[in-house]
Amino acid sequence: DIHMTQSPSALSASTGDRVTITCQANQDIRNYLNWYQQKPGKAPKLLIYDASNLETGVPSRFSGSGSGTDFTFTISSLQPEDIATYYCQQYDDLPLFGPGTRVDIK
Amino acid sequence: QVQLEQSGAEVKKPGSSLKLSCKASGGTFNNAAFNWVRQAPGQGLEWMGGIIPVYGTTHYTQKFQGRATITADKSTSTVYMEMSTLRPEDTAVYYCARGRWAGCSGTRCYYAWFGAWGQGTLVTVSS
Repeated sequence: DIHMTQSPSALSASTGDRVTITCQANQDIRNYLNWYQQKPGKAPKLLIYDASNLETGVPSRFSGSGSGTDFTFTISSLQPEDIATYYCQQYDDLPLFGPGTRVDIK
Repeated sequence: QVQLEQSGAEVKKPGSSLKLSCKASGGTFNNAAFNWVRQAPGQGLEWMGGIIPVYGTTHYTQKFQGRATITADKSTSTVYMEMSTLRPEDTAVYYCARGRWAGCSGTRCYYAWFGAWGQGTLVTVSS
């Protein structure tokens, strides 16, 4: 079975900071990895698909990279509206979400 | 633009059953994949299962196999999720999500990413 981990589980950063979240799978999932943003009380929103492809309409400050077992999600310049929980999701097997990373503003 | 309209909040007794609906508008219905994802209070996202209407195939995680049933009505572009033998730990927000599927091989299909989501349905299971 595939297991997903994310780190950190939570972080606090200042407006304008570069924020990086990592997602790791316990086996090779190729580039079958997506990233979502979920704000409190709202449905998740797709940001990145297939590890590095920006979904249409998503600001370019969001990016993703990686393949195999190790993946990175980056916000190049954190904005107040980016306060949310971010989830990775693999689909090399039946879909599975990572545990999430909560991002706050300092 | 794809929109997913889910049915309203439910309060259920333990041991009872549930049927949620998700009506899609805009975009292609048959050739998309429709998924059910739930989120218990304060917890993360959990994919339960999905359906690809053009094939009529369904897939479930082992946890929900035999207890959840996902169906699709192509005539009304509506997807349903039924779940039996509800327990208090089934209390959650249930989301319908439309997404891309990346091919099937035998009985295995790749439910890729979820680009459109419904507003969520709160289900409370309590005696």
